[in-house]
Amino acid sequence: GQQVMQIPQYQHVQEGEDFTTYCNSSTTLSNIQWYKQRPGGHPVFLIQLVKSGEVKKQKRLTFQFGEAKKNSSLHITATQTTDVGTYFCAGPGNNNDMRFGAGTRLTVKP
Amino acid sequence: EAQVTQNPRYLITVTGKKLTVTCSQNMNHEYMSWYRQDPGLGLRQIYYSMNVEVTDKGDVPEGYKVSRKEKRNFPLILESPSPNQTSLYFCASSSRGGYYEQYFGPGTRLTVT
Repeated sequence: GQQVMQIPQYQHVQEGEDFTTYCNSSTTLSNIQWYKQRPGGHPVFLIQLVKSGEVKKQKRLTFQFGEAKKNSSLHITATQTTDVGTYFCAGPGNNNDMRFGAGTRLTVKP
Repeated sequence: EAQVTQNPRYLITVTGKKLTVTCSQNMNHEYMSWYRQDPGLGLRQIYYSMNVEVTDKGDVPEGYKVSRKEKRNFPLILESPSPNQTSLYFCASSSRGGYYEQYFGPGTRLTVT
């Protein structure tokens, strides 16, 4: 069945360093979504990418959707302590189900 | 305020004792689903519902039941809980499945002893 893989599982950075998490699907996706879950919280929607090769920015966050619509990345420039949390990618399956990656947990040392 | 609510937030129970976790949304969303979150495994979909009286199995449906009698409610039922169902559970809704953002409830932490 369809799988969504995400790496790395953990990332520890010094405040001010950059951070990137990568997402790969075994099948082509109609769209990909990114969510952030703060420690002790619930996932919160960040953004959705739909078009092949699409790039979107939200302040220090840059999201990319691959040309083949099978991979995506989230890059954070100059991390801050407020960026701490787990970042998930997700995409719809063929049967209207939703597939989430395992997430990348980001910790930031002040 | 647009929101997804779940109850209870925390639950400790014993093996075999039937339980229900309620989920309700006030956004008139068609799509609702249940996920479990376990360390290193991310969010895995248990069941989802495209609309009233329509439910489908997700990735890990064994040991769970759901119903969708009303648009706003989507309860998760564990008929005979087992320790391997100890997990953090999230209910979520969206206006139309995987093509729109999902709104998550606050989560229910379940421990089965």
